[in-house]
Amino acid sequence: ETGVTQSPTHLIKTRGQQVTLRCSSQSGHNTVSWYQQALGQGPQFIFQYYREEENGRGNFPPRFSGLQFPNYSSELNVNALELDDSALYLCASSLGAGRGEDEKLFFGSGTQLSVL
Amino acid sequence: GDSVTQMEGPVTLSEEAFLTINCTYTATGYPSLFWYVQYPGEGLQLLLKATKADDKGSNKGFEATYRKETTSFHLEKGSVQVSDSAVYFCALRRGGSNYKLTFGKGTLLTVNP
Repeated sequence: ETGVTQSPTHLIKTRGQQVTLRCSSQSGHNTVSWYQQALGQGPQFIFQYYREEENGRGNFPPRFSGLQFPNYSSELNVNALELDDSALYLCASSLGAGRGEDEKLFFGSGTQLSVL
Repeated sequence: GDSVTQMEGPVTLSEEAFLTINCTYTATGYPSLFWYVQYPGEGLQLLLKATKADDKGSNKGFEATYRKETTSFHLEKGSVQVSDSAVYFCALRRGGSNYKLTFGKGTLLTVNP
């Protein structure tokens, strides 16, 4: 049990639609990061938020956007869905900003998104 | 850019067999190295880590040594159990202002009784 919960667990959308995925972090965790895990692949870093500001982004287009709220919840929004967006989306939280070597990431179980 | 290459799976072993999953990396500087495990239907869990050359990470009987000369971080366990069946991911993180992890593709391990 990591204390990180994601909703929904499964989601089906059609190409061109928009989707919002949600994550609830442990209380006190100021950092949340999002990863995309395609079938048979390792997770890929989408972006990270620290105290409601984006402070790092991977190689994903602007139609992937996020929000982090003061109550330790966060959202991943994807506009204009494409078939290749079908994947497991993982959020992970940690206490600090990622500068400390001993900081630990706590992952949620993910949201499985299927785009038809 | 940074990359992690790990042994292709799936790997199938009998209980009490010896396990090795190879992992090599490419990165500038001195990254921290990790092994994560993903059980069916669950998120990733940190298994072990090493933050500098020659460090050995260990947990639950698993071990991995940070070898800078060979840019490797191979995972080993002397005697696997059925409960070790999972997907194992090698990952690296460069120091900086965020917690971006670069993962390998994962290796599925199945341990039969």
